[in-house]
Amino acid sequence: NAGVTQTPKFQVLKTGQSMTLQCAQDMNHEYMSWYRQDPGMGLRLIHYSVGAGITDQGEVPNGYNVSRSTTEDFPLRLLSAAPSQTSVYFCASSYMIPGTAGNTIYFGEGSWLTVV
Amino acid sequence: GQQLNQSPQSMFIQEGEDVSMNCTSSSIFNTWLWYKQDPGEGPVLLIALYKAGELTSNGRLTAQFGITRKDSFLNISASIPSDVGIYFCAGLNVMYSGGGADGLTFGKGTHLIIQP
Repeated sequence: NAGVTQTPKFQVLKTGQSMTLQCAQDMNHEYMSWYRQDPGMGLRLIHYSVGAGITDQGEVPNGYNVSRSTTEDFPLRLLSAAPSQTSVYFCASSYMIPGTAGNTIYFGEGSWLTVV
Repeated sequence: GQQLNQSPQSMFIQEGEDVSMNCTSSSIFNTWLWYKQDPGEGPVLLIALYKAGELTSNGRLTAQFGITRKDSFLNISASIPSDVGIYFCAGLNVMYSGGGADGLTFGKGTHLIIQP
């Protein structure tokens, strides 16, 4: 059982480049989300999805796009990378909407992104 | 957006001591979660709280959902070296009427350092 798999683990980009962070889960979870974690900060929600074909913005969506064409995959796209997007990115998934009693949110291991 | 104040920022304690940390919010949450993050890993859920006043234990960990729904506490008893890490609180409001969820709001974390 792979759980939540993120790739790449590490990436260095030049300002203005685009890239996609991949996230896949094999648990048939409906709810998936992307967070960024910056030094001295908690995790902040970028985008989330409550099911295939449905996405919505979180707290810090600017500069990022997402899509959810399948239940398993939830890629995060940086269209034109900026140094302010240097961060650690975490993908998460859960069977039901977070907050449902007994529902567990699983996090990937993180993707370390540096924009120079 | 919603803000969580987590304290203390860091703790240096002796092995065997008890640990207490807390989170307060300017707004109400209907779910409180506590996570632990080890270096290079994603957060792992420790305890989930779904009702105001709820007190829940997981081994040596005990967490409480404050009566006002604006705060939560985590206690670790008889700390051991593997308790070292960053502990995050997270609050959630599930918008039942809209059928969606606005994701988790995280505190900035408490660094726990244990001296043998």
